[in-house]
Parts: sequence; structure tokens; C-alpha cells
Amino acid sequence: KNEVEQSPQNLTAQEGEFITINCSYSVGISALHWLQQHPGGGIVSLFMLSSGKKKHGRLIATINIQEKHSSLHITASHPRDSAVYICAARFPDNTDKLIFGTGTRLQVFP
Amino acid sequence: NAGVTQTPKFRILKIGQSMTLQCTQDMNHNYMYWYRQDPGMGLKLIYYSVGAGITDKGEVPNGYNVSRSTTEDFPLRLELAAPSQTSVYFCASSYSFGGSYEQYFGPGTRLTVT
Repeated sequence: KNEVEQSPQNLTAQEGEFITINCSYSVGISALHWLQQHPGGGIVSLFMLSSGKKKHGRLIATINIQEKHSSLHITASHPRDSAVYICAARFPDNTDKLIFGTGTRLQVFP
Repeated sequence: NAGVTQTPKFRILKIGQSMTLQCTQDMNHNYMYWYRQDPGMGLKLIYYSVGAGITDKGEVPNGYNVSRSTTEDFPLRLELAAPSQTSVYFCASSYSFGGSYEQYFGPGTRLTVT
């Protein structure tokens, strides 16, 4: 069964801390997405990757294909990073759809 | 570009009522999706469309219907609303299908069925 699991479910941090959110999946995938859901509910795509590492500003996403694991890192965290972070995977079973994790709720305090 | 827009933002329905959730995108994307998000659960795909006139079921299609008469619009119809359909509904679109292309999400519709 195609599954995506995230950890931790909830995360609190002080401003400036380095944050890591983890995502693991059950079988090999074609692509993995990281999304951010703002407190108001809107969802935006942060990264899409199938290998290696991507960086955008203070956000870094990595994926280890052999270990079936991806991480999202936030450097120098800020209260405006407070959001739910969601990973989603595309499994190569010809359905071509995304399977979503349940999300990690991050709160960054000043 | 407005991106993906959804209406209404909030709605309360009584059991057995019907309604249509509207979704429009102005990016000329062929692919569109409807998801529902329940507390503590990941987004679940309800229906998707790969182009005007073509729709297919996702993981949780029961109780819903869709149509795609134009590239821009992808309305979701709830017939005979039930409390189990209380959820937040998101419409999304992408240039191509599924996981290899970035999906753009609408702001969501929060629906309560009582």
C-alpha cells in the first residue's frame, strides 16, 4: 500500500532555531512534494524533487531514494514560518496521483 | 493572474441539502483536482479531470459529482449532504497530471453539514 508518514506531528521552536521535518514513504516514488499550509488555510507548493537537494531561501529539501526518506529543513526559523508543512508523494503505479502525509504543525515563538 | 479561485469560502448546509462548490483557474491548466481535508488526515482526492469533458474518480468520490465543460471551470456538486461531508475542500490545478508537476491550490471552502 502506498503510504506517506510525517514526523513529528507537532513542533515548537524558538526564533532562530534550525528546524527539521521528516517524511518517509512505503515504496519507491517518482516525485516528492513539500507544501506549506498557512494558518488561514491556503496551500502553496514549496518544493518538488525526485533526487538530491533543493534550496530556496532559508528552506532546504533533501531526499534519500534508497532510504525512502525526505527532510525539510528551515534555517534561522522565524515566527512567520509557523504553518503546517505537508509532504506528498507520487507513486509509480500508473495512477499518477499524489498521496499526502498528515502534516507537521510548526509554531515558532519569538 | 488570479490563479485558482474557489467560492464560497464558508457554507453551512442542512442534512439532505445540495450545493455546488465552484472552482476556476486562469492559468490554462488542463489538469484539475478536488481534494477534501479532514482534521488530522492528509488531503484525499475526490475527483480529477485531465481536460474539458474528461473526469475520473479519486480515492473518495462517493456523494460527489463533477463536470468539466470548459478548461477554466471544475465545479464539485454535493447531492444529499451528510455530516460525513463536513470538511475543508480544496481545488487545485496543474500544467500536467499528478505528481511530476507543481499543483496550484485554491483558498479552500469550509463546509459544515448539520
